[in-house]
This record gives sequence, structure tokens and C-alpha cells, in this order.
Amino acid sequence: LAKTTQPISMDSYEGQEVNITCSHNNIATNDYITWYQQFPSQGPRFIIQGYKTKVTNEVASLFIPADRKSSTLSLPRVSLSDTAVYYCLVGDSNAGNMLTFGGGTRLMVKP
Amino acid sequence: DTAVSQTPKYLVTQMGNDKSIKCEQNLGHDTMYWYKQDSKKFLKIMFSYNNKELIINETVPNRFSPKSPDKAHLNLHINSLELGDSAVYFCASSQLGQGGEKLFFGSGTQLSVL
Repeated sequence: LAKTTQPISMDSYEGQEVNITCSHNNIATNDYITWYQQFPSQGPRFIIQGYKTKVTNEVASLFIPADRKSSTLSLPRVSLSDTAVYYCLVGDSNAGNMLTFGGGTRLMVKP
Repeated sequence: DTAVSQTPKYLVTQMGNDKSIKCEQNLGHDTMYWYKQDSKKFLKIMFSYNNKELIINETVPNRFSPKSPDKAHLNLHINSLELGDSAVYFCASSQLGQGGEKLFFGSGTQLSVL
């Protein structure tokens, strides 16, 4: 299981774009990169998943360079409700590959 | 309808008691999990079932026993509760296939052992 490293916390202001980078130097060929969001007293929620280049959905964008050793979650124009913990995980399609989420990045959006 | 639902949301009990947490998913997924989130917010897998069969059993005390009556349900029974069992327990499900695994979580059960 590839280990991931991401900043412990980040601060931002409403309306700004937020980029959270995750390092995964030992990512395997079959691994996908997945990001989750967790609000207090709730379970993590799937945000976005990608394998290479760029993926965009209605919530975020995910940028993955060619070597895939890192990835960047981009949240456009954040609001106060985006304050949460964001987790980066890598793994393949086998069950339970994402065993431990780690500490994640605590994003605080200020008015 | 809630995709992954678990009950109860809060559970306060005394040391030595036996308790159960129930989980149900209506997503038609084949695989279900129990995760434990400690005070440092690390989410760690405990068990995984695929089509009612146990496929992952991390280093968890024997006091914890999962039961899957069908692929839509995965319940967690805990015997002889200890203070260190206090945590938030999350149930999750996924459908394996192409692409990386995508987990869908319940809202959690906060267990407090006094």
C-alpha cells in the first residue's frame, strides 16, 4: 500500500481557490488516487478519483503529473462549508486496499 | 434514502458490557467494511466482507466479532467492552470493479465506554 503525505492543515478565505497536494512516491502501476472529504460527526465522503493527467467533476479537480508521484486536489472558490478534513489515498481495485486513511489535511475556510 | 446507515449513532456503556452496532447499505454493493477512527482522527480498517465472506481481518481483539447475514448487512458485536474501545466506528461499502475502490461511509457510531 503506497504511503501518502499531505499537509496537516491549511487556511483559506471564502472565494479563493484551494490546492492540496499529496505525495505518494511509491505509487504502484495499478493504483488509483482517491480523495475523500470528512465533516465533523460524519463519515468520509468520496470527492474525486483519478489515474493520470486531470480529472474534473462538479466538486473539484484532480491534477496528476506524468510520474504520478504526487497529486493536487483543487477546490475552486471555496466557501465556509468546505471546512473539513481532506484525505488522499492510493490503491487499486482490490477490496480493502485503502486500509488506513491517515491524518488528512484540515482545511479551515475563513470569512 | 440513506445509502449506508448504521445504528445507533451514539452508544454509552459501562466497561465489561456487550454491545452491537448495525449497518445496512442499499447500494447493492458486494463489499462492506468496519473502520475505527481514534482520537487522532486516523481511520483504520478492522474488517472487510465480500458477499458475506470475511476477506480482511486486521489485528483486532477477538472481542470484536462481525456478522454478515447477507451482503447488504454487516453488524459488529463487541464483547467485554474496555475503555480503549471508545472511538467512532464507521461502516462502509464499495463495489469493486474497474478503477480504484470507492468507499461509501455511514455517519458513524460514537462509542463511549465508561
